[in-house]
Amino acid sequence: EIVLTQSPGTLSLSPGERATLSCRASQSLSSNYLAWYQHKPGQAPRLLIYGASSRATGVPDRFSGSGSGTDFTLTISRLEPEDFAVYYCQHYGRSPHYTFGQGTKLEIK
Amino acid sequence: EVRLVQSGAEVKKPGESLMISCKASGYYFAMNWIAWVRQKPGTGLEWMGITYPDASLTRYSPSFQGQITISADKSISTAYLQWSSLKASDTAIYFCARVRGVGDDAFDIWGQGSMVTVSS
Repeated sequence: EIVLTQSPGTLSLSPGERATLSCRASQSLSSNYLAWYQHKPGQAPRLLIYGASSRATGVPDRFSGSGSGTDFTLTISRLEPEDFAVYYCQHYGRSPHYTFGQGTKLEIK
Repeated sequence: EVRLVQSGAEVKKPGESLMISCKASGYYFAMNWIAWVRQKPGTGLEWMGITYPDASLTRYSPSFQGQITISADKSISTAYLQWSSLKASDTAIYFCARVRGVGDDAFDIWGQGSMVTVSS
């Protein structure tokens, strides 16, 4: 079973700064089947990135995904106030497992 | 507009049964897998299982196998998550989500979540 480890657990930044979130897989991911989600309290999670680097429909271009194999990154180039949330990575390439990482909380400094 | 609308909050006692629902609209329901995801209080997201409405296929996370039943009725574009005997540890928010492609893929549309509280 693939385990995804996200770091840091909490990231404290100010609006306008750059955020870099990491997701490390315990095994190499086939075809870079890695997604990123944004989750705010009381709301449904929102798909941001799929296929490690493809932005989902309607996602601003300040969000970008990169990486391959076991190491993946979500970058938010300039933080907006609405970007403060919990972010999860997810592997979806080895059915029946759709593993989530434990999440990174992005909070306002 | 593509939407998944889930049933409302439930308060149940341990040992009771429950079925919650997820109604799809705005797309051809039968052709996309539907997943269920749990979020226990103060914790992260856990994938529970998926179902393919057009072929009545279902796959479960090993962590949830035998604990839940996932199904779908394509005639009314609705997926279900059910328990035969709830435990206090089932208290959580449950989300349904559409798998975006034909095979293994990310979850692109999510329901609003159904809060389930199990308490004596």
